[in-house]
Amino acid sequence: DGGITQSPKYLFRKEGQNVTLSCEQNLNHDAMYWYRQDPGQGLRLIYYSQIVNDFQKGDIAEGYSVSREKKESFPLTVTSAQKNPTAFYLCASSREGTGRLSGANVLTFGAGSRLTVL
Amino acid sequence: RKEVEQDPGPFNVPEGATVAFNCTYSNSASQSFFWYRQDCRKEPKLLMSVYSSGNEDGRFTAQLNRASQYISLLIRDSKLSDSATYLCVVNARKLIWGLGTSLAVNP
Repeated sequence: DGGITQSPKYLFRKEGQNVTLSCEQNLNHDAMYWYRQDPGQGLRLIYYSQIVNDFQKGDIAEGYSVSREKKESFPLTVTSAQKNPTAFYLCASSREGTGRLSGANVLTFGAGSRLTVL
Repeated sequence: RKEVEQDPGPFNVPEGATVAFNCTYSNSASQSFFWYRQDCRKEPKLLMSVYSSGNEDGRFTAQLNRASQYISLLIRDSKLSDSATYLCVVNARKLIWGLGTSLAVNP
């Protein structure tokens, strides 16, 4: 079955350490996204990529970095510069980019990675 | 005014009840609309897209009112398994997520 795999599911990190969250999809989707979810807040977009080797900052990109070297993979690095990294991180993909989202082109999510900074 | 607003609830209803959620949005140029369902500590999953003429999927009915800038979700014959948070999502050249409405269906 096609889907999105995120790993690890749970991650603990000490302050000052960088950590990389993995996101792999076998849906053959062009667009991929990283969101962050905090209690009492809606999903906030960190980065998105509409095509291989291209990505754009979302609303809260500071302290994060991404790469898109392969269509299937969109890893997110949470750097030590991110002031409040403890959160639930969600990776998503869609067949085409946000500008073309419709009933036939929707966002599908991975199961998420829960990061806790100690 | 928030770009997408939802009543956070919680809505507590008995099994078999009919419950309706509304969601208002501020950008009149919004192009597409969705309802997602999110269970506690899980990822959001698409419940249904919302079409201009309204659409139904089993016990779920979604409506769009562009003039008043709101979408609605109606759940008929509520089941215990419907307990979740329902997220309203509006596409205005970028996706804008509501904070969600919490539903608890009680036996």
